[in-house]
Amino acid sequence: KAGVTQTPRYLIKTRGQQVTLSCSPISGHRSVSWYQQTPGQGLQFLFEYFSETQRNKGNFPGRFSGRQFSNSRSEMNVSTLELGDSALYLCASSLDPTNEKLFFGSGTQLSVL
Amino acid sequence: GQSLEQPSEVTAVEGAIVQINCTYQTSGFYGLSWYQQHDGGAPTFLSYNALDGLEETGRFSSFLSRSDSYGYLLLQELQMKDSASYFCAVRGTGRRALTFGSGTRLQVQP
Repeated sequence: KAGVTQTPRYLIKTRGQQVTLSCSPISGHRSVSWYQQTPGQGLQFLFEYFSETQRNKGNFPGRFSGRQFSNSRSEMNVSTLELGDSALYLCASSLDPTNEKLFFGSGTQLSVL
Repeated sequence: GQSLEQPSEVTAVEGAIVQINCTYQTSGFYGLSWYQQHDGGAPTFLSYNALDGLEETGRFSSFLSRSDSYGYLLLQELQMKDSASYFCAVRGTGRRALTFGSGTRLQVQP
């Protein structure tokens, strides 16, 4: 069974640009959540989706948005990139929102220059 | 809001036992999870406690005391491969999204 797949693995952008990151959950998993990880900061929650609906949203500016498709794949978008957006963006999937075991992808390392 | 505190670094020797503590503050409580992350790798699930007490999974055990808002991860018979960062995470009532601690970097020395 394939794990959580995130693309691209690495991304370099410049300030002001926008970026779209993709996440394919484990087959059969319908819940997807996104996290931002920076050195020494742990994982900061961005969004959680289930059945194409956003269930929870973290404390991030409106430049951060996401969505989930009918096949449970998810994308997140960051517009008007800032230097501080440089981070590892992790996607995690689970069977449903009641399941406590999250499976994480390897992440997308975003560098904003 | 929700917040968690855990030590930033812990060092131990191979074969030893190490305990990583986690205290949390949350409006309501649903459960406490632990994740392991090796450098450059993805976080992987280790354990989940919803009720007070000890949960054992092989060399790893996790403990929860809801009255003390405290939990710990116990790693026994440490191996070099256990060198990694360990995160505790809490979910508040209403099935809010997981809030993670800043992580504890465990270094196992020979």
